[in-house]
Amino acid sequence: QQQVKQSPQSLIVQKGGISIINCAYENTAFDYFPWYQQFPGKGPALLIAIRPDVSEKKEGRFTISFNKSAKQFSLHIMDSQPGDSATYFCAASIGDNYGQNFVFGPGTRLSVLP
Amino acid sequence: EPEVTQTPSHQVTQMGQEVILRCVPISNHLYFYWYRQILGQKVEFLVSFYNNEISEKSEIFDDQFSVERPDGSNFTLKIRSTKLEDSAMYFCASWGPGDNYGYTFGSGTRLTVV
Repeated sequence: QQQVKQSPQSLIVQKGGISIINCAYENTAFDYFPWYQQFPGKGPALLIAIRPDVSEKKEGRFTISFNKSAKQFSLHIMDSQPGDSATYFCAASIGDNYGQNFVFGPGTRLSVLP
Repeated sequence: EPEVTQTPSHQVTQMGQEVILRCVPISNHLYFYWYRQILGQKVEFLVSFYNNEISEKSEIFDDQFSVERPDGSNFTLKIRSTKLEDSAMYFCASWGPGDNYGYTFGSGTRLTVV
């Protein structure tokens, strides 16, 4: 119930291509869904987040699509660049107020080939 | 940009020894967290801390672990009698005014128990 599933485990994309990472959850109480980007040796850094009252959120080349009925959400990286090569984690929490802890997906290792 | 600072970056300890991992959260933040990431696996919640007490903890955070905010700036995680399976990256995070969407993570401490 508390799990967040994420796929694929790893992804290789050519420069300029679209990277798509998918996540699914079971707990309908989750109502806040951030994505984190992690470079080797660094902590996760917040990339973009969405609340279930919208179906899509876009920030630059990064877009979250959210399907509340299917309990799925995905990250799309347009015009993928080698600098995007990192591990991406989706996460979920109940509420977005201070103090909420996140449940993280297992991560997707993205490699963007030059 | 404000940062969460963690020291040391790498700690090697003998099995059975006690270790203290240190964190300096962002100065005006009020919620503090510890997460861990076993190599190649997902980020797992350990504990959250607010108003000088634990607000939530996971099943992982058993009697072997403790947290403390010994002064106005530091936030520590103590692991007593370390075990081989405690080897992981330990991330501190904080959340507070100005963090609209989620935590700021530190760069982590890599703990190696030998």
